Amino acid sequence: DAKTTQPPSMDCAEGRAANLPCNHSTISGNEYVYWYRQIHSQGPQYIIHGLKNNETNEMASLIITEDRKSSTLILPHATLRDTAVYYCIVRSNNAGNMLTFGGGTRLMVKP
Amino acid sequence: NAGVTQTPKFQVLKTGQSMTLQCAQDMNHNSMYWYRQDPGMGLRLIYYSASEGTTDKGEVPNGYNVSRLNKREFSLRLESAAPSQTSVYFCASRGDSSYGYTFGSGTRLTVV
Repeated sequence: DAKTTQPPSMDCAEGRAANLPCNHSTISGNEYVYWYRQIHSQGPQYIIHGLKNNETNEMASLIITEDRKSSTLILPHATLRDTAVYYCIVRSNNAGNMLTFGGGTRLMVKP
Repeated sequence: NAGVTQTPKFQVLKTGQSMTLQCAQDMNHNSMYWYRQDPGMGLRLIYYSASEGTTDKGEVPNGYNVSRLNKREFSLRLESAAPSQTSVYFCASRGDSSYGYTFGSGTRLTVV
């Protein structure tokens, strides 16, 4: 699976959009970009994933660049409950391919 | 919906003791996983089971064994606990048609 690079930490004001970047310059054509978050030592929570088109769900939006070498997770109106570690993971959906977690970005949403 | 249930939530062991961490899912998922997370680190895969009756090693399998008892249950056993196995253990599952993993709430294990 391709390796990802994320900033170790970010701050965001409550109510503002949080934009979390991820670089994955070695991504392969069949690899998806996944985002998970982990709130205060709870189990990780799936947020969103995409292949090459931008995606949106009730939690977030995912913007993937045209060359697929980077992506941005957008939380449109961050709340204090969004304070968490956010993991960007690249993997194919082939059977047997696992989720491999890096260090993630620690997002602190401030009042 | 319970999702993925792990027991116990907390455990303290003495070095050399053995124990089994239990995991059960009620989503009819084929694949199940065990991860460990050390303080300030990301999760690392210990073992996984792609289907009932199969298990495979992950990134850090040494010191652990697993059993896929049936489709619902996937247990992790520490035969002789060591302080280096102090960690938070997470179980997860995934369905064949599901892209996302569902994680349990974790077992916090301390080996003294």
